Amino acid sequence: GAVVSQHPSRVICKSGTSVKIECRSLDFQATTMFWYRQFPKKSLMLMATSNEGSKATYEQGVEKDKFLINHASLTLSTLTVTSAHPEDSSFYICSARVVQETQYFGPGTRLLVL
Amino acid sequence: DAKTTQPPSMDCAEGRAANLPCNHSTISGNEYVYWYRQIHSQGPQYIIHGLKNNETNEMASLIITEDRKSSTLILPHATLRDTAVYYCIVASSNTGKLIFGQGTTLQVKP
Repeated sequence: GAVVSQHPSRVICKSGTSVKIECRSLDFQATTMFWYRQFPKKSLMLMATSNEGSKATYEQGVEKDKFLINHASLTLSTLTVTSAHPEDSSFYICSARVVQETQYFGPGTRLLVL
Repeated sequence: DAKTTQPPSMDCAEGRAANLPCNHSTISGNEYVYWYRQIHSQGPQYIIHGLKNNETNEMASLIITEDRKSSTLILPHATLRDTAVYYCIVASSNTGKLIFGQGTTLQVKP
């Protein structure tokens, strides 16, 4: 299957700071990328859909000003958690797909906000 | 909300076939059935997907009923490394949005 990477794999930050997470499709050009978050012992929750060159579409209840998504190229999308607080601590996972093709997931980024 | 119903947990003996059921009675004509699995602390791994015909790949087989209201994922010879949470998802290939339910935790035992 196709390979999707995320960086960093884990990050610890202080409350009030911003954190950027990168998602890259390594061997294909992704027209669409998705961002999910997952709390312990819970399922994945879709946060937003990101199409290259256009604004992300956020799911209901997800604050777009808090979770900034940029999809500047066909191989890179970034998620910035702004003014992070302890309740933002979670496992953030991205996925990528080509139009109407299978969606592949990254390994995830574990964020801990102190 | 997820459009599928799966048992919360299942056990399987190592070397035996694991049959994971999924109900999706409200599936639309243009929606596919996707199966992913998630091993602890990792991103989901794609397994297989299908529209109406049965599918098989190197990982698993997918059996979809004729009315498409349910399906079964078959791991032919389960190993301890197949222990994971298995998610059955119905989604349109147009939007690509995957809405995850709670999945089935498969425990493969020696």
